[in-house]
Amino acid sequence: RKEVEQDPGPFNVPEGATVAFNCTYSNSASQSFFWYRQDCRKEPKLLMSVYSSGNEDGRFTAQLNRASQYISLLIRDSKLSDSATYLCVVNTDMEYGNKLVFGAGTILRVKS
Amino acid sequence: NAGVTQTPKFQVLKTGQSMTLQCAQDMNHEYMSWYRQDPGMGLRLIHYSVGAGITDQGEVPNGYNVSRSTTEDFPLRLLSAAPSQTSVYFCASRVTGALGEQYFGPGTRLTVT
Repeated sequence: RKEVEQDPGPFNVPEGATVAFNCTYSNSASQSFFWYRQDCRKEPKLLMSVYSSGNEDGRFTAQLNRASQYISLLIRDSKLSDSATYLCVVNTDMEYGNKLVFGAGTILRVKS
Repeated sequence: NAGVTQTPKFQVLKTGQSMTLQCAQDMNHEYMSWYRQDPGMGLRLIHYSVGAGITDQGEVPNGYNVSRSTTEDFPLRLLSAAPSQTSVYFCASRVTGALGEQYFGPGTRLTVT
């Protein structure tokens, strides 16, 4: 079983739709969680960190469920510019932050 | 602020050749790392460093060497290139600690024939 698993998609949605991605992780000691965005043939960039209480940044909402060991990303009012691959990232090393494990990514395509 | 820079952007090698991928950052980050990204596999950690003079292996270290003589530079050496090393390589840096954002370089697309 992979340490971090994501539905690869692609998710094809119309502009204005709401779409949600889930990600599961296997290491119960995981302490910090992130969503990164990667555009085609570009480097990943941090979209948002995921906090225990859940957090929101504009149209994006991230939630963490420690009991079930999954995190989610909700995108409301999708824009064409949201088309990208979304990477779930889990850090299992709380002391030094040395163990970032990346999911394979979920592809989102927003169409007009 | 240049952030994380990588050279070259593209490289084609023949099996058995060696080369060094360069990586530099100007953010004074202690932690630097190298990943490879293959279709369907996500980013996999090759080697990382928590400071000058300190390196350690990641998930897929075989066939690669690293060194960290300065805080800024973290080169990755391919000792004897193999077709299985065809991939996109990303260098990254971050502040040490679990909560810091990781910054990636633009990547090097390597093809080994």
